[in-house]
Amino acid sequence: DVVMTQSPLSLPVTLGQPASISCRSSQSLVYSDGNTYLNWFQQRPGQSPRRLIYRVSNRDSGVPDRFTGSGSGTDFTLKISRVEAEDVGVYYCMQGIHWPMYTFGQGTYLEIK
Amino acid sequence: EVHLVESGGGLVQPGGSLRLSCVVSGFTFSSYWMHWVRQVPGKGLVWVSRINVDGSSTSYADSVKGRFTISRDNAENTLYLQMNSLRVEDTAVYYCARGNSADYWGQGTLVTVSS
Repeated sequence: DVVMTQSPLSLPVTLGQPASISCRSSQSLVYSDGNTYLNWFQQRPGQSPRRLIYRVSNRDSGVPDRFTGSGSGTDFTLKISRVEAEDVGVYYCMQGIHWPMYTFGQGTYLEIK
Repeated sequence: EVHLVESGGGLVQPGGSLRLSCVVSGFTFSSYWMHWVRQVPGKGLVWVSRINVDGSSTSYADSVKGRFTISRDNAENTLYLQMNSLRVEDTAVYYCARGNSADYWGQGTLVTVSS
């Protein structure tokens, strides 16, 4: 089974400062169609997960442009250019091509320092 | 606007059964694979099961295989999860999610398995 490994697991950030989360897959996430199926989710306290980024770098509708996804193959990064208070929560990466169908990283808890 | 609304959670004793529902609106339900994902409070997200567009193909995590059954009623825009032989470790919030990239999620329904 594919394993998704995130780091760090806890991320204290000062308001207005940048933040970066790493996600590594145990297998390549490049599918036979040429696309790379790596998504990023945000889960604010008490809420359900919300997809932020799909296929590595595509922002979902309504997602602020301070969120940027990048990477390739097995190594991926989510960056927040300037952290705001509403960004507090847990961030998950997820792969969608290998068994099991959805595999999530452990989650990274972003808090305001 | 896309909506997914889960229901059916509650308190059940070990060995008992529950049936979760996920009613959707705002999109053509019959065009999407659907998934169930669960989350123990305070812990991470874990995939449970998925079903293809017409219900002819299903898959399950090893932890629930043989005990849970996913199904769908495209005429009623509803996804189901029948959960039998429930265990304490099945206690979690259960979410339904749309498609193989999980672009929309419901609000979740809490299942508590306890004596």
